[in-house]
Amino acid sequence: NAGVMQNPRHLVRRRGQEARLRCSPMKGHSHVYWYRQLPEEGLKFMVYLQKENIIDESGMPKERFSAEFPKEGPSILRIQQVVRGDSAAYFCASSPRQGIGSYNEQFFGPGTRLTVL
Amino acid sequence: AQSVTQPDIHITVSEGASLELRCNYSYGATPYLFWYVQSPGQGLQLLLKYFSGDTLVQGIKGFEAEFKRSQSSFNLRKPSVHWSDAAEYFCAVAAVTGGFKTIFGAGTRLFVKA
Repeated sequence: NAGVMQNPRHLVRRRGQEARLRCSPMKGHSHVYWYRQLPEEGLKFMVYLQKENIIDESGMPKERFSAEFPKEGPSILRIQQVVRGDSAAYFCASSPRQGIGSYNEQFFGPGTRLTVL
Repeated sequence: AQSVTQPDIHITVSEGASLELRCNYSYGATPYLFWYVQSPGQGLQLLLKYFSGDTLVQGIKGFEAEFKRSQSSFNLRKPSVHWSDAAEYFCAVAAVTGGFKTIFGAGTRLFVKA
């Protein structure tokens, strides 16, 4: 059973370009989470998605960032008009369906390291 | 709101010495607690987790952690550190009522000297 897959592993963009980060959850997992790790910091929650539905985007910057998890295919984190401050490692995690009163562990991918020149 | 505090930004220990990394959390109900390790430029590896039951949790690579509700702590320990343990260690908490997101501490960087 393959783990959470992220690609690309490394991405270089110039200021003003768009960055698209992809995350394929583990087989059987229908929930995806995105986290950002700025240099020398811990991971910060960005967004929580189910298939075709955003559950919690309280950690997403209000502008330029968007995320989707379509019915088919991977989850995409999209950053428009990137700036140098967007340089970070972006981690995706997946879990089985979360239930009322229960918690299912999240499994993390290897991350995508975005560098903005 | 949930939060995680790792009071030590970095710690240096000698190889073979014991290790304790501190973690305090803030959450009203019983949390789900985790310790992760991250080597430079790498992803996260789960060392151990606490969901319920025995408050002393055994993990991989000889690590253990103890959940102490009265102190809101979940400290990580290892009796004898190896040079390969040098890395960044993150404590994390997750909760059902927190929307299932995982809250991470700022991390403790471990240096191991010969």
